[in-house]
Amino acid sequence: DTAVSQTPKYLVTQMGNDKSIKCEQNLGHDTMYWYKQDSKKFLKIMFSYNNKELIINETVPNRFSPKSPDKAHLNLHINSLELGDSAVYFCASSQETVNTEAFFGQGTRLTVV
Amino acid sequence: QKEVEQDPGPLSVPEGAIVSLNCTYSNSAFQYFMWYRQYSRKGPELLMYTYSSGNKEDGRFTAQVDKSSKYISLFIRDSQPSDSATYLCAMSKSGGSNYKLTFGKGTLLTVNP
Repeated sequence: DTAVSQTPKYLVTQMGNDKSIKCEQNLGHDTMYWYKQDSKKFLKIMFSYNNKELIINETVPNRFSPKSPDKAHLNLHINSLELGDSAVYFCASSQETVNTEAFFGQGTRLTVV
Repeated sequence: QKEVEQDPGPLSVPEGAIVSLNCTYSNSAFQYFMWYRQYSRKGPELLMYTYSSGNKEDGRFTAQVDKSSKYISLFIRDSQPSDSATYLCAMSKSGGSNYKLTFGKGTLLTVNP
């Protein structure tokens, strides 16, 4: 069974469109994250949710809105997509009481054309 | 100065070589230190973690942390072609719901048979 799964794996879309990426974890973790990896492989945190509550919100444009319907799911909605949003987006999860290991999904490769 | 500096390589070694990967950091508040391995088009997976200074060994992998020098290392003994991947160092200041990983840019390693 996949621990952290993201859909879709690949997403190609035009500028100005709105798109969503979904993430689910079956590890029973209470904290979930979105990270962005740019073309130079630099991985940077965007958001963190703990038990459906937003904990970390790095400097990310308002066009990006995370939503956590329950603690096993964290979705990322992006409005008015721009060329610079092209990147690989990784979802991750961890357990608060075991605070050093984050499990990552396979990533969603977003290409904005 | 970035919080975490890591030489992106690429690093190419023959099979069986000892590989040394390093990161330096500027923020003395970092307490947890991790190494992630990322294969091409996959999500990062945790290899090693240490809390504060010291060494940790797991099979062919040894992680070292020197907080006084703000320097961490990962050694890979008897390197194998299957070790070819990007290695990312990561650090966090705390655990719990404020847990946030700060990554280095990653070092691309190729082990040649």
